[in-house]
Amino acid sequence: EAGVTQSPTHLIKTRGQQATLRCSPISGHTSVYWYQQALGLGLQFLLWYDEGEERNRGNFPPRFSGRQFPNYSSELNVNALELEDSALYLCASSLGAGPGDEQYFGPGTRLTVT
Amino acid sequence: QKEVEQNSGPLSVPEGAIASLNCTYSDRGSQSFFWYRQYSGKSPELIMSIYSNGDKEDGRFTAQLNKASQYVSLLIRDSQPSDSATYLCAVNTGTASKLTFGTGTRLQVTL
Repeated sequence: EAGVTQSPTHLIKTRGQQATLRCSPISGHTSVYWYQQALGLGLQFLLWYDEGEERNRGNFPPRFSGRQFPNYSSELNVNALELEDSALYLCASSLGAGPGDEQYFGPGTRLTVT
Repeated sequence: QKEVEQNSGPLSVPEGAIASLNCTYSDRGSQSFFWYRQYSGKSPELIMSIYSNGDKEDGRFTAQLNKASQYVSLLIRDSQPSDSATYLCAVNTGTASKLTFGTGTRLQVTL
């Protein structure tokens, strides 16, 4: 069974540009989560999508946004990039949306903002 | 106080020994607890989940949960050099399914 996939693997952007990151969940999983792992800050929750709807977002500015498509894949958009947005962006998926549902991570997209 | 706290390490154990990794959390309403392993430059990999007080064993790994003490731990028996990684404790408080992560404990298994 294929795991969570993410693209691209690496992304280099300049400050002020927009970045789009993509994620395909494990087959049958309907919930998709985005996390940011910046150096020294640990994993921070960004967004949660379930059944095409944004269900929750973390303490990030509105320039972080995304959507979930009918096939449950998702994209994360980061507008007006800032240097501190440089991080590993991780997508996870789960079978359901309950607190006990296990989240499985993709390989991540490393975003570098110069 | 951080929501999920872990000792950053490094925790150094000899090959074949038991490694004990600890995690405390602040939200008494937390319902689900997870341990992830993350190798340098890679994404987190789920090792175990635990939901009820007590022990849960899976191969060389045992997760222990004590909700009264707000404490969860992971024991790794017969530690191998391949176990050298950062171990992340994650907690789901039950509100909106997000996971709150600790900063991780770096484990080094020495030959």
